[in-house]
Amino acid sequence: DVKVTQSSRYLVKRTGEKVFLECVQDMDHENMFWYRQDPGLGLRLIYFSYDVKMKEKGDIPEGYSVSREKKERFSLILESASTNQTSMYLCASVTGGADYEKLFFGSGTQLSVL
Amino acid sequence: AQSVAQPEDQVNVAEGNPLTVKCTYSVSGNPYLFWYVQYPNRGLQFLLKYITGDNLVKGSYGFEAEFNKSQTSFHLKKPSALVSDSALYFCAVRDTPDSSYKLIFGSGTRLLVRP
Repeated sequence: DVKVTQSSRYLVKRTGEKVFLECVQDMDHENMFWYRQDPGLGLRLIYFSYDVKMKEKGDIPEGYSVSREKKERFSLILESASTNQTSMYLCASVTGGADYEKLFFGSGTQLSVL
Repeated sequence: AQSVAQPEDQVNVAEGNPLTVKCTYSVSGNPYLFWYVQYPNRGLQFLLKYITGDNLVKGSYGFEAEFNKSQTSFHLKKPSALVSDSALYFCAVRDTPDSSYKLIFGSGTRLLVRP
């Protein structure tokens, strides 16, 4: 089975801190995504990447950046954390083959910014 | 822009009864529709998808979804609910034909199956 691993399940940070959320997948998927999940709002796409060193903005990229130096790893960076970035962050990956809509998700990182 | 709406925040059903979780969509062109489920403290899991063909799509864990073009709906159904089906369910649509990998998710519906 595909495994998408997010480095932290819970994270508490202070406003203004630089925060790194790490995601690793083990199935050689080309495409990786970062979503945030908020009650009543569902999942909103922050950034995605369809290849190493490639990135594209999603619907809510402000305040975030990403890095994809290796195919298996996709990092989300909060340049200066703010309280409105308190949320559940979900990483996902998908192949470019026949099941290209079948996203595989990590278990999520619950980030609290105080 | 493509979008999906899940009009119910929560659905309550008794174990053994049929369940329906509603989803309506708005797309330009042919819709590519999906259902995902999120169990407590877990990431989302793919349940099923509609691309083309039969309007009734079968998926994992005994779930199925009915595509209705005239009503622009894609409701999730199961003939007999289990307590273990209690979870958060998300409907999703592919963003545009040119962005194959981007999915737009609904706000989610919490399903509670009581014993």
